Amino acid sequence: ETGVTQSPTHLIKTRGQQVTLRCSSQSGHNTVSWYQQALGQGPQFIFQYYREEENGRGNFPPRFSGLQFPNYSSELNVNALELDDSALYLCASSLGGAENIQYFGAGTRLSVL
Amino acid sequence: TQLLEQSPQFLSIQEGENLTVYCNSSSVFSSLQWYRQEPGEGPVLLVTVVTGGEVKKLKRLTFQFGDARKDSSLHITAAQTGDTGLYLCAGAPVLGGSQGNLIFGKGTKLSVKP
Repeated sequence: ETGVTQSPTHLIKTRGQQVTLRCSSQSGHNTVSWYQQALGQGPQFIFQYYREEENGRGNFPPRFSGLQFPNYSSELNVNALELDDSALYLCASSLGGAENIQYFGAGTRLSVL
Repeated sequence: TQLLEQSPQFLSIQEGENLTVYCNSSSVFSSLQWYRQEPGEGPVLLVTVVTGGEVKKLKRLTFQFGDARKDSSLHITAAQTGDTGLYLCAGAPVLGGSQGNLIFGKGTKLSVKP
């Protein structure tokens, strides 16, 4: 049990819609990272938030955006959903640092029809 | 672009056999983490290796970090059906990575049959 919780667990949307995914970080962790995991692939880094500021971003378009709140929980927002956005979205929390040890939630399975 | 190549991609063995999974890159990592992921779940951290040449043991699992910190291996002795799952390696880049990024391999899907 990592203490990282994500909601909802499953979500079905149609192309063009918008979606918000939520994550509560493990107690004491001030850094949250979001990843997209397509079927049969390893997770791909979307972005990271540290103390409510974006702290790094992967190769994802601007329609992927996020927020971090004062209690270190976080949201991932995706606008103008495309079919290829169907994936497992993972949130990971950490204390940062060079070793970057991250603890993952169970993920949100998003299906775009 | 920094990549982590994992091999083999799929592995099906009988209970009691030994196996090794490899994770290779041309890039140097400040640390490398191994995760195990069950279907429909998030990755669960198994171990973190930090020092070149480091070896860590977790019961029947042995993890090694290459001397140059570019590669790693996971060896399982006497595999059990409970070891079935997707094994992922993930590296924290030393240079050039987007801050906060963990680079993941595609994973090794292990199936241990009774």
